[in-house]
Amino acid sequence: AQKVTQAQTEISVVEKEDVTLDCVYETRDTTYYLFWYKQPPSGELVFLIRRNSFDEQNEISGRYSWNFQKSTSSFNFTITASQVVDSAVYFCALSETGFQKLVFGTGTRLLVSP
Amino acid sequence: DTGVSQDPRHKITKRGQNVTFRCDPISEHNRLYWYRQTLGQGPEFLTYFQNEAQLEKSRLLSDRFSAERPKGSFSTLEIQRTEQGDSAMYLCASRRRGESNNEQFFGPGTRLTVL
Repeated sequence: AQKVTQAQTEISVVEKEDVTLDCVYETRDTTYYLFWYKQPPSGELVFLIRRNSFDEQNEISGRYSWNFQKSTSSFNFTITASQVVDSAVYFCALSETGFQKLVFGTGTRLLVSP
Repeated sequence: DTGVSQDPRHKITKRGQNVTFRCDPISEHNRLYWYRQTLGQGPEFLTYFQNEAQLEKSRLLSDRFSAERPKGSFSTLEIQRTEQGDSAMYLCASRRRGESNNEQFFGPGTRLTVL
């Protein structure tokens, strides 16, 4: 069965701090895909990144970086030098080959204060 | 490039009434998904269409729920005899054909409140 766990319910930081959001997943498949989405207060889910299970290279996009480690079934997300606009709920999600649905974690609410 | 649109954005109804939501996917996307999100939770999968064919349904989709995508373009989700437990945000997403498991693009959602 597929499962995504985001143990951090809420994180509060002050602007310019770095913050890491944790994601642990469970799957029996050897081929799967991992995603991060951002849900700002407006409510619309915004796609951030997709990784497939064969690509363990870490990725950096501006202030965002992702650390994928199959050995620990984790796909963590780091925001460097956080900004107030980063305040949102962040969801990690998983999908398996042949299955089309996304299985989401419960989300981590990030509050960045000035 | 217009995104996924959903209508209405908000719906308040009384218990026992029927409601219908509409989703218009991104035009070249042939795959369409419905999810439900309750407060403090992540979205949960309800159902999936490839063109007009409904290929997968979650156990969450009771017989009071029905979804259609008659011409492979827009989709509707109907809830009959609404219950208070149906109160949630209903999200629609679409995905283009081709690359396996590429990202889904979400609409703004329809927030349903059942009184």
